[in-house]
Amino acid sequence: QKEVEQNSGPLSVPEGAIASLNCTYSDRGSQSFFWYRQYSGKSPELIMFIYSNGDKEDGRFTAQLNKASQYVSLLIRDSQPSDSATYLCAVAAGNNRKLIWGLGTSLAVNP
Amino acid sequence: GAVVSQHPSRVICKSGTSVKIECRSLDFQATTMFWYRQFPKQSLMLMATSNEGSKATYEQGVEKDKFLINHASLTLSTLTVTSAHPEDSSFYICSARRQASGNEQFFGPGTRLTVL
Repeated sequence: QKEVEQNSGPLSVPEGAIASLNCTYSDRGSQSFFWYRQYSGKSPELIMFIYSNGDKEDGRFTAQLNKASQYVSLLIRDSQPSDSATYLCAVAAGNNRKLIWGLGTSLAVNP
Repeated sequence: GAVVSQHPSRVICKSGTSVKIECRSLDFQATTMFWYRQFPKQSLMLMATSNEGSKATYEQGVEKDKFLINHASLTLSTLTVTSAHPEDSSFYICSARRQASGNEQFFGPGTRLTVL
């Protein structure tokens, strides 16, 4: 059974702090990794994707991938109340594959 | 780019009726579309994978005769909930994967179905 695990939270951080969201996966053949953000009552929105070990930065977001340890993380710098949402980690093994989803981590950024 | 639309956004129907939901990729061609269902405060549940011009692949436990999926073109997939019952009330979300691209999926805004 291929699994993707996330801490359900809620993770609570003060405004301006760094929020760190973590995700582990069981399938060593996984090749592509995604972070989606989902606001309550809305559909998921793609934030970041990463394919190679190391860090990938996009604005206030940094995705970190460590294939040897089978984890991927998302850092949000200068957290804002508008970042409060559920963050979903998704993983795929190879091309043209469906995504395996984590259950999501709820993030609350307090003003 | 990578905009996906869904119609309708919200539908209320009586038990026993059928409801059709459309999913369109507006600015790209999608060889594969996915249909998800999400109950309140729960995670996404993949229902089926839809490939253009072929039969959909349903996940275990999803009744293919109840949830009819058609992917007639590279920009349109439809989900029909047949003989809907109150337990089918949920948030239905489609996503699309671009042709000749990676595995990233772009989601439509979702359809909230309420069956009375």
